[in-house]
Amino acid sequence: ETGVTQTPRHLVMGMTNKKSLKCEQHLGHNAMYWYKQSAKKPLELMFVYNFKEQTENNSVPSRFSPECPNSSHLFLHLHTLQPEDSALYLCASSRTSGIRLSSYNEQFFGPGTRLTVL
Amino acid sequence: GESVGLHLPTLSVQEGDNSIINCAYSNSASDYFIWYKQESGKGPQFIIDIRSNMDKRQGQRVTVLLNKTVKHLSLQIAATQPGDSAVYFCAENSGYSTLTFGKGTMLLVSP
Repeated sequence: ETGVTQTPRHLVMGMTNKKSLKCEQHLGHNAMYWYKQSAKKPLELMFVYNFKEQTENNSVPSRFSPECPNSSHLFLHLHTLQPEDSALYLCASSRTSGIRLSSYNEQFFGPGTRLTVL
Repeated sequence: GESVGLHLPTLSVQEGDNSIINCAYSNSASDYFIWYKQESGKGPQFIIDIRSNMDKRQGQRVTVLLNKTVKHLSLQIAATQPGDSAVYFCAENSGYSTLTFGKGTMLLVSP
């Protein structure tokens, strides 16, 4: 609906597993974002990519590794996660980042991947 | 640190009523604010925004009020409908490219 798709929608993994989350945007945007949404915390920005270059890493642990091969695709590689990493992981895109925010540069969110770490 | 927060975790209203959702912010440097709606199973959706040089902005059935003196933001929804049931949260921006989000208020609309 929003032009941003995420797969899988649900993921259950053990602490020793390696998995990847995928995000794809069909809006022709140049910026993509990963957010974490926990039950007890506000939405937290994790990473920002602009024109495939990482422009922001919000002190995210190295067990989360993002990859942005092109402006339309964004991945989040997961390894050795902890149970407290269980959350909804949201991807978003916008025309660009690094400029003054406005409705012109609105972020469009995907539906998220519900991650459970056992 | 500075943060954005919401006063009420849950707001229950009857269909047809007007709803008011509140948000307090503490960063006096914030100059741009957004209200988002998040329905179950979906990502947040932009509803309306406002800059700090305004104190009121209206959209379709929604109005955002900004009181910079007390650092308070509110979202008013007129003639609330069952389809308005969702979590609503505000976000603030202080000039950089990132947003700081509030926790959210669940709006429940009864027929």
